[in-house]
Amino acid sequence: AQSVAQPEDQVNVAEGNPLTVKCTYSVSGNPYLFWYVQYPNRGLQFLLKYITGDNLVKGSYGFEAEFNKSQTSFHLKKPSALVSDSALYFCAVSPDYKLSFGAGTTVTVRA
Amino acid sequence: GAVVSQHPSWVICKSGTSVKIECRSLDFQATTMFWYRQFPKQSLMLMATSNEGSKATYEQGVEKDKFLINHASLTLSTLTVTSAHPEDSSFYICSAPPGTSRNEQFFGPGTRLTVL
Repeated sequence: AQSVAQPEDQVNVAEGNPLTVKCTYSVSGNPYLFWYVQYPNRGLQFLLKYITGDNLVKGSYGFEAEFNKSQTSFHLKKPSALVSDSALYFCAVSPDYKLSFGAGTTVTVRA
Repeated sequence: GAVVSQHPSWVICKSGTSVKIECRSLDFQATTMFWYRQFPKQSLMLMATSNEGSKATYEQGVEKDKFLINHASLTLSTLTVTSAHPEDSSFYICSAPPGTSRNEQFFGPGTRLTVL
């Protein structure tokens, strides 16, 4: 069975500082990995995905993620965080059409 | 990107009544749609997979007679919460993957259900 772990419930950073949201996964076979962001009372918005190819994936709003097979990690990063990046972030893995989500990490960027 | 809509965005109902939530793919066809439930500040829990033209597939622990799913067309899936009770109050979100490959899913904006 597949699973995703987001070890941090909350991440707090100052605006302009680098932002990292951690994710590790467990899946048999080749992982399809995703990051989504959710703003209050809204659905999820797709940020980026890793399927195959380059381990560094660039996505929407300046976010990127690095796939590390040996560490089974897929951490989300942004070089310079904005206050508007404050939201709930979900990592997800998909061995088939279904998505398994991590518990989510609340990111707060202070001005 | 592809757009998925949900209606209504929020609904308040009395205990014992039924509520229908619609999920539509606006600019693509979806043979499969997914229904999730999300409690405050928690992750999404997959409830069921909606299959166009056939029965939905429910996840373990989800009552199929309580959460009726109908996927009547390639652009519409409905979730009906029957005989709703306060514990059914939650945020319900649908999603659909465009195409046949395992690409990203597109999510609806969610429906906030409050059962009094």
